[in-house]
Amino acid sequence: QKEVEQNSGPLSVPEGAIASLNCTYSDRGSQSFFWYRQYSGKSPELIMSIYSNGDKEDGRFTAQLNKASQYVSLLIRDSQPSDSATYLCAVNEWGYQKVTFGTGTKLQVIP
Amino acid sequence: DAGVIQSPRHEVTEMGQEVTLRCKPISGHNSLFWYRQTMMRGLELLIYFNNNVPIDDSGMPEDRFSAKMPNASFSTLKIQPSEPRDSAVYFCASNKDRGSYEQYFGPGTRLTVT
Repeated sequence: QKEVEQNSGPLSVPEGAIASLNCTYSDRGSQSFFWYRQYSGKSPELIMSIYSNGDKEDGRFTAQLNKASQYVSLLIRDSQPSDSATYLCAVNEWGYQKVTFGTGTKLQVIP
Repeated sequence: DAGVIQSPRHEVTEMGQEVTLRCKPISGHNSLFWYRQTMMRGLELLIYFNNNVPIDDSGMPEDRFSAKMPNASFSTLKIQPSEPRDSAVYFCASNKDRGSYEQYFGPGTRLTVT
């Protein structure tokens, strides 16, 4: 059973701070890693993809991958109240279209 | 480009009725996924298609659920008969091709079975 684990939160951070969201996965064959943002009552929206070890930056978002530790994280710099949402980690094994989603971490950015 | 389109956006029905949910994937995308999301179980994959062919339906909860993809631009998820425990948000997602695993979600259908 492939598992993706996330702390459900809520994770509360003050506006302007760095929010750090973490995810671990069980399948060592996993090759593709994604972060989705889901606002309440809306659908998941892809915000970051990462495929190799290290950091990938896109604006205020940085995804970090450590395959040896089976760990992927998302950093949000200069957090804004509009970043308040649930963040879903998703993982898949190379060659398979299917992804496994974590249950999500709820982020609250306090003004 | 238009995103994934789902209809209806909301559906309220009585137990025992048939429910049909519809999805139009992004043009040019070859894979289509049906998910169900509840507070208790999170986001669950029900079934996915590649080039209109069902590849994995292991997540379909029981025989009351069926899905079809008659062509590249249309898919349906049917529940017959519906039960209150089927109440959830049903999402459709699509992605482009093998080698690209980024999925794009539709707005979802909120189903309530009374």
